[in-house]
Amino acid sequence: AIQMTQSPSSLSASVGDRVTITCRASQGIKNDLGWYQQKPGKAPKLLIYAASSLQSGVPSRFSGSGSGTDFTLTISSLQPEDFATYFCLQDYNYPRTFGQGTKVEIK
Amino acid sequence: EVQLVESGGALVQPGGSLRLSCAASGFTFSSYEMNWVRQAPGKGLEWVSYISSSGRTIYYADSVKGRFAISRDNAENSLYLQMDSLRAEDTAVYYCARPRETGGAPDYWGQGTLVTVSS
Repeated sequence: AIQMTQSPSSLSASVGDRVTITCRASQGIKNDLGWYQQKPGKAPKLLIYAASSLQSGVPSRFSGSGSGTDFTLTISSLQPEDFATYFCLQDYNYPRTFGQGTKVEIK
Repeated sequence: EVQLVESGGALVQPGGSLRLSCAASGFTFSSYEMNWVRQAPGKGLEWVSYISSSGRTIYYADSVKGRFAISRDNAENSLYLQMDSLRAEDTAVYYCARPRETGGAPDYWGQGTLVTVSS
């Protein structure tokens, strides 16, 4: 199974900050990667698919980049509603595997 | 509007069985692959199982292989997960999730149903 290593596991940031979260795959997955946001008690919400494509309705401050093994989710200017946990998911093959998650907290 | 509604979660003893259901609406269910994903309390997301649109292709996570069975009824727009030989480590919120129209990362998720395995 492909392992997804996500970092950091948590971070503290202020409103307006630029935030970067990374995921590394244990083997090449082309651009078959999605990024999700999850708030407590809620289902995950797709932000980015195919590594860099913005899901409909998602604010443009979210962006994704990368291909092969290294991927990045960037929030250009953190907003109060962005405090949540973020996960990456490889959809290159089965079994699907998620990163461990990054909790973004208020500084 | 696409909707996925899970049901069937409950408190069950170790070794017991449970059947989860996911009722789909707002899209042509028979045209889409489907997945089950779970999340243990306070933990990350774990993919559990996949079924193709026809039901002919199925995959499982190693952690549930031989104990869980995914199925679907396209006439009833429903997805199922039969869970047998349940263990404490199966305790989680279980989500059904639909991939995007072109496949890949799921874009629609249900609200989840809680399965608790405890004596």
